[in-house]
Amino acid sequence: GAGVSQSPSNKVTEKGKDVELRCDPISGHTALYWYRQRLGQGLEFLIYFQGNSAPDKSGLPSDRFSAERTGESVSTLTIQRTQQEDSAVYLCASSLVAGTDTQYFGPGTRLTVL
Amino acid sequence: EDQVTQSPEALRLQEGESSSLNCSYTVSGLRGLFWYRQDPGKGPEFLFTLYSAGEEKEKERLKATLTKKESFLHITAPKPEDSATYLCAVQAKYGGSQGNLIFGKGTKLSVKP
Repeated sequence: GAGVSQSPSNKVTEKGKDVELRCDPISGHTALYWYRQRLGQGLEFLIYFQGNSAPDKSGLPSDRFSAERTGESVSTLTIQRTQQEDSAVYLCASSLVAGTDTQYFGPGTRLTVL
Repeated sequence: EDQVTQSPEALRLQEGESSSLNCSYTVSGLRGLFWYRQDPGKGPEFLFTLYSAGEEKEKERLKATLTKKESFLHITAPKPEDSATYLCAVQAKYGGSQGNLIFGKGTKLSVKP
């Protein structure tokens, strides 16, 4: 079956602009996660959604970052007023449920803020 | 604070030269320890999950082991196609980070023919 997909694969934007990144999880997966991977750093957790429960936003670095998910499908990560330090690869993962189920990752979106 | 440290940062091997990668962790109750492989420009690819000390799992030339403080990824007779960055992550049983994974920075493995 299809894996996790993300779009766009690459995004170049100017400082101060807003960007939206999209994630399509594996069908049937109720949990969806967003991570950020900056050059030379480990993956940083940003936010996760589990079914219809309130999302865990504890990893969002500032109020410029937000995410939404429609039911158990597509999720959008929005970064407002982008800064150069937001440049990174943004990775989405999904799992059957949050917990010990394996998280399967998408290919990521490489964001470059000029 | 939950934390994962991987060593070495980079490892160069000759084809056929076996070695091990280390992942040390501190976590408020281990729910699971995960190994992923990441190729350049791609997302992490799942390899193994380990749940309790003493557990071992194998896949082709890779074998993962777990103790109460660390995990090892043993690579036996590696081939050039094993070249990648290997990521270790833990999931906590308690505290605020029960759902997400906490990652180390990875070990970049290069296998020369």
